[in-house]
Amino acid sequence: GAVVSQHPSWVICKSGTSVKIECRSLDFQATTMFWYRQFPKQSLMLMATSNEGSKATYEQGVEKDKFLINHASLTLSTLTVTSAHPEDSSFYICSARVLQEMNTEAFFGQGTRLTVV
Amino acid sequence: GEDVEQSLFLSVREGDSSVINCTYTDSSSTYLYWYKQEPGAGLQLLTYIFSNMDMKQDQRLTVLLNKKDKHLSLRIADTQTGDSAIYFCAENFSGNTPLVFGKGTRLSVIA
Repeated sequence: GAVVSQHPSWVICKSGTSVKIECRSLDFQATTMFWYRQFPKQSLMLMATSNEGSKATYEQGVEKDKFLINHASLTLSTLTVTSAHPEDSSFYICSARVLQEMNTEAFFGQGTRLTVV
Repeated sequence: GEDVEQSLFLSVREGDSSVINCTYTDSSSTYLYWYKQEPGAGLQLLTYIFSNMDMKQDQRLTVLLNKKDKHLSLRIADTQTGDSAIYFCAENFSGNTPLVFGKGTRLSVIA
């Protein structure tokens, strides 16, 4: 299957600093990528849809100024958590969909565990 | 509406079969998926089924789809300890839209 690479896999940062998470599609082009957040023992919560060359579409309740998304190329989307606080500590996962035959499968990155201290 | 429901926990003995159930509410779903998530990892696609199919088998995995009842199940034959994980069902509508996930079923396999 297609490969989505996410980096870093874990990061610890101090309160008030910013953290950038990268999501790359390694062997395909992704015009659209999705960013999810997962709290412990909970399901994935869609944060935003990242569109190459245009602004991201944020889900209700997600602060666009806090979670900056940039999708500058067909293989890279970045999520920057600005002025991080401990409550931003979570598992962040990106996803991209690939058209394979008639099915657009969704492939996921390995996830990034963010801990804000 | 877009609600995908799953039972939260399932515990089985090693060697037994596991059946994880899922219900969805939107009949326009085209594909339905099962993903596996191990601790601290991303999601791994296990299998999927097209909405005009009733059943799909892939080695130890059997997916059953009852479109009338909007019910999806994943059966794992000869469950192993390595199958312990969270299993998410997800539905897809069309195009490049995000999948809609259930809350996940935590499968525990007892040796």
